[in-house]
Amino acid sequence: EPEVTQTPSHQVTQMGQEVILRCVPISNHLYFYWYRQILGQKVEFLVSFYNNEISEKSEIFDDQFSVERPDGSNFTLKIRSTKLEDSAMYFCASKQGPSYEQYFGPGTRLTVT
Amino acid sequence: QQQVKQSPQSLIVQKGGISIINCAYENTAFDYFPWYQQFPGKGPALLIAIRPDVSEKKEGRFTISFNKSAKQFSLHIMDSQPGDSATYFCAAILNYGGATNKLIFGTGTLLAVQP
Repeated sequence: EPEVTQTPSHQVTQMGQEVILRCVPISNHLYFYWYRQILGQKVEFLVSFYNNEISEKSEIFDDQFSVERPDGSNFTLKIRSTKLEDSAMYFCASKQGPSYEQYFGPGTRLTVT
Repeated sequence: QQQVKQSPQSLIVQKGGISIINCAYENTAFDYFPWYQQFPGKGPALLIAIRPDVSEKKEGRFTISFNKSAKQFSLHIMDSQPGDSATYFCAAILNYGGATNKLIFGTGTLLAVQP
């Protein structure tokens, strides 16, 4: 069964460093998402991406965050200058069309020290 | 207004028992209510979902009950099994079928089914 994959599974970085989290959505999917889950808290929406542009972003998704679909298969989330409060599990999700289910990847645990 | 409140935070049920998780929302514009199951180390996976024009939906041992007037919905797991032990999230979507369809999640319920 097709699945969303994410790399790395765990990323440790120092405060102020840039990180790129990578996702490979399911191949025929057209809508892409990033969510995050701070330890012990709920899953929160960060950004949605369709037709090579951001369709919606949350208040969390400030100028330090960016997304890109560089080559038609990968979908990346970049955090330019990480903060301690960026430590969380980051989930990528994708779906085939407007009324379809979102499929989630296994997540990348980001630890900022 | 875009929050979804979920309870309880954790739940322990004996094997064969019924697990019940409740959610409530304020925004009447939500038009799709999915439940997600998450095992440790995995991403959330869709379990079952309901539209607000339906009061109940059943899939196997899992049933969603939906009360539109009370703005509440709940997940019932019948004949709970140890393999059902996971974190369950209710969620809501605004304008299902639109361009974004972001999921607004509840806070999660950690279910433990004891053998």
